[in-house]
Amino acid sequence: EADIYQTPRYLVIGTGKKITLECSQTMGHDKMYWYQQDPGMELHLIHYSYGVNSTEKGDLSSESTVSRIRTEHFPLTLESARPSHTSQYLCASRSGRQETQYFGPGTRLLVL
Amino acid sequence: KNQVEQSPQSLIILEGKNCTLQCNYTVSPFSNLRWYKQDTGRGPVSLTIMTFSENTKSNGRYTATLDADTKQSSLHITASQLSDSASYICVVSDRGSTLGRLYFGRGTQLTVWP
Repeated sequence: EADIYQTPRYLVIGTGKKITLECSQTMGHDKMYWYQQDPGMELHLIHYSYGVNSTEKGDLSSESTVSRIRTEHFPLTLESARPSHTSQYLCASRSGRQETQYFGPGTRLLVL
Repeated sequence: KNQVEQSPQSLIILEGKNCTLQCNYTVSPFSNLRWYKQDTGRGPVSLTIMTFSENTKSNGRYTATLDADTKQSSLHITASQLSDSASYICVVSDRGSTLGRLYFGRGTQLTVWP
């Protein structure tokens, strides 16, 4: 069982609201990732980080932003939520020496 | 264009039966291939990982095979259990970038009935 946590697990919010999805891991992993997954579809990488103060955009364009002030923490923020942001957001991490990414349980976001 | 294709899209089997899931990929260059299990409402959990030189890897009742020449992989589940009901995702990694980019399939949704 991987020690990677996401909160909230479920979020229903109105259009225009600012939201932050939390992700934290206690494994000391330097690499962290955010993925977006719609039902029945593949995961799409939206952000990644190689370490503190390092953040990059992924393959899928996203209006969200991320920060990496601490190794264990990689929050994702949407300044103004829209219905098109409705999806599942998965956070993952891995060490530099291992290939396998460990995933959190995900946050299911519904924007009304 | 998705470079990892999985089949079938969904599968229903009876408890105790065996099944095989398929994964075809066009990712190049190739570094490794993994199979993940994703329970409903959860994040994916790694089952197996195989590099170019490995053609089979087992994890309990799960056995993955890899044919790097034909770019095909399969995941065989033996004596299925109700807890095997999940989405099984094939993930291929290239070695062409420092990111070690991952290419995800859309998964096969397996349902095991009692």
